[in-house]
Amino acid sequence: DSGVTQTPKHLITATGQRVTLRCSPRSGDLSVYWYQQSLDQGLQFLIQYYNGEERAKGNILERFSAQQFPDLHSELNLSSLELGDSALYFCASSSGTRVGLGETQYFGPGTRLLVL
Amino acid sequence: GENVEQHPSTLSVQEGDSAVIKCTYSDSASNYFPWYKQELGKRPQLIIDIRSNVGEKKDQRIAVTLNKTAKHFSLHITETQPEDSAVYFCAASNSNTGKLIFGQGTTLQVKP
Repeated sequence: DSGVTQTPKHLITATGQRVTLRCSPRSGDLSVYWYQQSLDQGLQFLIQYYNGEERAKGNILERFSAQQFPDLHSELNLSSLELGDSALYFCASSSGTRVGLGETQYFGPGTRLLVL
Repeated sequence: GENVEQHPSTLSVQEGDSAVIKCTYSDSASNYFPWYKQELGKRPQLIIDIRSNVGEKKDQRIAVTLNKTAKHFSLHITETQPEDSAVYFCAASNSNTGKLIFGQGTTLQVKP
């Protein structure tokens, strides 16, 4: 168990709908990262938050958004869902205070999203 | 842009043999290189990592080497066991943000 929690574990929804994925980082970690893992595309970085502020953005679609709350949990919002959004969505956390030295990221169990 | 190339995409070895997976990164600002093991449907789990001020690191049967000049790093697994079978991902971390750029993954099969 990495200490990172994600809910829900599974999500089945229809095209055009909107869903929210939730992540709680390890105790004390300030940075949260979101990654998408599709069948053919490996692990793709989406977005990073540090202590409530957006720090880095990857190839995140405009239909997707995220935020980190004062209690440091994060939510990833996916809207106008398409079939191609079906994937595993992972959240990871790190302390965020030693980035220049290289920080270990710990991954949550993921949320499996299926868009029908 | 930032990119990590990983080879091979699949690797099949006999139990007891060694396995080597190689990665190349493009961003000179990368300073941290973790390797993750992922079993089917599970989370990526860190197995070893190396920082840019070190050339080699070993942990029991697993070792990682880094060549900063060539922007190459490699994972070496010795005395492979069937439980080593999984998908292995290399990654490079940006020193400014910490975000990870992953390679495409290597599916390792260890035959008993």
